[in-house]
Amino acid sequence: DAGVIQSPRHEVTEMGQEVTLRCKPISGHDYLFWYRQTMMRGLELLIYFNNNVPIDDSGMPEDRFSAKMPNASFSTLKIQPSEPRDSAVYFCASSLMGREKLFFGSGTQLSVL
Amino acid sequence: SQQGEEDPQALSIQEGENATMNCSYKTSINNLQWYRQNSGRGLVHLILIRSNEREKHSGRLRVTLDTSKKSSSLLITASRAADTASYFCATVPLQGAQKLVFGQGTRLTINP
Repeated sequence: DAGVIQSPRHEVTEMGQEVTLRCKPISGHDYLFWYRQTMMRGLELLIYFNNNVPIDDSGMPEDRFSAKMPNASFSTLKIQPSEPRDSAVYFCASSLMGREKLFFGSGTQLSVL
Repeated sequence: SQQGEEDPQALSIQEGENATMNCSYKTSINNLQWYRQNSGRGLVHLILIRSNEREKHSGRLRVTLDTSKKSSSLLITASRAADTASYFCATVPLQGAQKLVFGQGTRLTINP
């Protein structure tokens, strides 16, 4: 099993640009989570899906953030337009048991200049 | 707000010693989980303890849960250099928003 796969591993962009982060969950997992990690705020849950349906997006900071899960094997997190304060590590995680035993990807280090 | 808060924020010990990290939380929980994060990597699930359990073991890990004090501890016995990482507790509330909420973590350094 390849685990949760995220791309890109690093992203450097300029303020105002659109950023798209990608995630492939573990095959068979029916929950997918997007987290953001910063030194100041720690790990924050942005949104999670169950069976490709968004269940709770209350952690999405602003309308600039959007997430989709068009099928069971792919999800995207989009930021448009990006701002320097969006700089963080974004993690995707999947699970077979809801909010138990999450499997995390290696993350995307986003830097917005 | 963060549900779990780890203590201490940082811990440095010698290889072979035991390491104890604590986690406190605010509301009643369904379960509590511990994760490890190596530098530059994603989190790895270590162990889950349910609200009706008091202690659980997995290899060199021992987790306790005191629901009356709303606290948990993670003990790593006979520490190794490879245990150097950040350790996070995460809780699933019994009621309200069913989110897994992480604490700020404890940075553990094992000195050879």
